[in-house]
Amino acid sequence: GAVVSQHPSWVICKSGTSVKIECRSLDFQATTMFWYRQFPKQSLMLMATSNEGSKATYEQGVEKDKFLINHASLTLSTLTVTSAHPEDSSFYICSALFVSGRSTDTQYFGPGTRLTVL
Amino acid sequence: AQTVTQSQPEMSVQEAETVTLSCTYDTSENNYYLFWYKQPPSRQMILVIRQEAYKQQNATENRFSVNFQKAAKSFSLKISDSQLGDTAMYFCALGEHSGAGSYQLTFGKGTKLSVIP
Repeated sequence: GAVVSQHPSWVICKSGTSVKIECRSLDFQATTMFWYRQFPKQSLMLMATSNEGSKATYEQGVEKDKFLINHASLTLSTLTVTSAHPEDSSFYICSALFVSGRSTDTQYFGPGTRLTVL
Repeated sequence: AQTVTQSQPEMSVQEAETVTLSCTYDTSENNYYLFWYKQPPSRQMILVIRQEAYKQQNATENRFSVNFQKAAKSFSLKISDSQLGDTAMYFCALGEHSGAGSYQLTFGKGTKLSVIP
């Protein structure tokens, strides 16, 4: 159980175009999902917290208008990188919060999406 | 501000041996969570083990166990009987409440573990 998928697994796009990344919780409902960014050989940096039915909460320094987040259902959150530029090239990872009710609520991660902007 | 420090960028261990990865953290909260995640070459983040700060008993999951020292703010991971499949990047993470029943994770920089046959 607690499987999270991401689509696409990799994408190459031209500078100036927009790219949408989907994050789905496959076997549980997640009112809260998270989006992270990971540069090569570095740790994960939280970009934003996505709450179903409400606006996302962005971390300091993350541009809201550039990284649009939509959490329209209990199993789907999307991250749209608008007007992408080469500096946006990175590995984007989502996680979904599994609420146990019996033990620690745990974030389960998707497999990540590698974005390359030419 | 919350911080997580992993002082060992790289480690290696012989297959079947035991290895301990260190992690220290800083938080002003009294109730929080601690996690170890592994990230193999596939880059899929996999939960290894978790610990609630209010629990004194150290968590164990098969070959994985932790040494949680709350006063020292230390959370080390011990891997027993190391296997080749344990080769991965290991991240220590601190979870602090962020409202609405959720929490945010702060990750350490990771320790790259290589299991040598």
